Amino acid sequence: GAGVSQSPSNKVTEKGKDVELRCDPISGHTALYWYRQSLGQGLEFLIYFQGNSAPDKSGLPSDRFSAERTGGSVSTLTIQRTQQEDSAVYLCASRPKGREWYNEQFFGPGTRLTVL
Amino acid sequence: GESVGLHLPTLSVQEGDNSIINCAYSNSASDYFIWYKQESGKGPQFIIDIRSNMDKRQGQRVTVLLNKTVKHLSLQIAATQPGDSAVYFCAENRGTGANNLFFGTGTRLTVIP
Repeated sequence: GAGVSQSPSNKVTEKGKDVELRCDPISGHTALYWYRQSLGQGLEFLIYFQGNSAPDKSGLPSDRFSAERTGGSVSTLTIQRTQQEDSAVYLCASRPKGREWYNEQFFGPGTRLTVL
Repeated sequence: GESVGLHLPTLSVQEGDNSIINCAYSNSASDYFIWYKQESGKGPQFIIDIRSNMDKRQGQRVTVLLNKTVKHLSLQIAATQPGDSAVYFCAENRGTGANNLFFGTGTRLTVIP
């Protein structure tokens, strides 16, 4: 089957504008993660969805960042009033049910966000 | 060629040679480790994992070694090929919570034909 997909692949926006990034996880995967990868940095956890449970938002850097997951599938990460420091690659990953201990995450290709 | 931890972010090797990429982790309670490969413009791809009750695990052309005494992890790639050129991340699993996977900054491996 298809892997995790993300759209758009690239997004250039102006400072102060809002952006929405989309993630389509692998069908049937119950867990979904968003990460941010800045140039030369490791992956920074942002938010985690698991089934119908309340999401873990502990990694969101500010209240300008929010995410939702509709119907337990597609997720949207929204960044309001973008700043230049938001420029990064935003990665989405999903994990199949029953693999919680192994944390085997499947990553999408990412969305490269550039804030001018 | 060999890189040491995360202080040498690049490694260049000749095609056909073996590569060793090292990673130092910080938490002695980490119980599970993963190596990811990330090619340019793509997301990280799972390569191999190892649980803390193991010292060594082998895959296809790759071997992961775990030394819990010194909190050190290494990825060995046999007969390195141009397609192995990528950034390699180690990740340590520190618990059962959501934010429990911590990634290193990675080592960029360049294979010289």
